[in-house]
Amino acid sequence: DQQVKQNSPSLSVQEGRISILNCDYTNSMFDYFLWYKKYPAEGPTFLISISSIKDKNEDGRFTVFLNKSAKHLSLHIVPSQPGDSAVYFCAASATGSSNTGKLIFGQGTTLQVKP
Amino acid sequence: DAGVIQSPRHEVTEMGQEVTLRCKPISGHDYLFWYRQTMMRGLELLIYFNNNVPIDDSGMPEDRFSAKMPNASFSTLKIQPSEPRDSAVYFCASSKHSGQVYGYTFGSGTRLTVV
Repeated sequence: DQQVKQNSPSLSVQEGRISILNCDYTNSMFDYFLWYKKYPAEGPTFLISISSIKDKNEDGRFTVFLNKSAKHLSLHIVPSQPGDSAVYFCAASATGSSNTGKLIFGQGTTLQVKP
Repeated sequence: DAGVIQSPRHEVTEMGQEVTLRCKPISGHDYLFWYRQTMMRGLELLIYFNNNVPIDDSGMPEDRFSAKMPNASFSTLKIQPSEPRDSAVYFCASSKHSGQVYGYTFGSGTRLTVV
C-alpha cells in the first residue's frame, strides 16, 4: 500500500513557465512533508519542507502548498529553469508515531524543463 | 564533510551470490537509513537505525536481506542469496535528528544488477 503517491510519472514545461508537481497521501498521522530533487547518478537532495501547521512554505523559486483536508501537497517552481530538470520525490513523516524518524517517499515525478 | 559515502557504486553479480553494500554516514549523525529505488515503488525504506540500533526493519523484503550497524561510522546491507528481482539502486542516508524539518543526506547510491 502506497501511503504517498505521485500519480504523474513525468512533466514537461517550457523554460520560464511554472512547474507544478503534485503529491497525495493517505495517512492522516503525517505531519511533516518534504520534497527532494534527484539528478541522474546522484542521491536525492533535500529541497523544501512544510509542517502540517502551515499551508504554505516558500524558498526562493520553490513554494510548497499543503491542503490537509484533501491530503494533497504540491510543489511550485517559478520560473522554471533547465537546471531544474530532475526527478522530484515527495516524502512524509508522522512525528507523533513510534517511528518518528521515518520518511515515506512517493514514486517520483520526472520534470523536464525545455529551453 | 565528505557526505554519506557508499561503496561500491556499481555491482554486477550472478544470481545466488552474496552481495554486501557498504555505507559510511556523516560523522555525528545518529540516524541511518537504507532505501531501495525502483520504478514501480520509488524510494522504498528497507530499514533504519538510531544510535546503531535497528528501529524498524519492516521494509526488508525477505530473510535474504540483512543489515548491520556495528558502530556509528559504518553500516552494511547484505543480500544472500541474490536474485534478479533485487536489481535496483540502493541508497544509504543519514540525519542528525529525525529529519523531518531538514531532511536526510543521501549517498550517491549503489546500482546493483543481478544476472
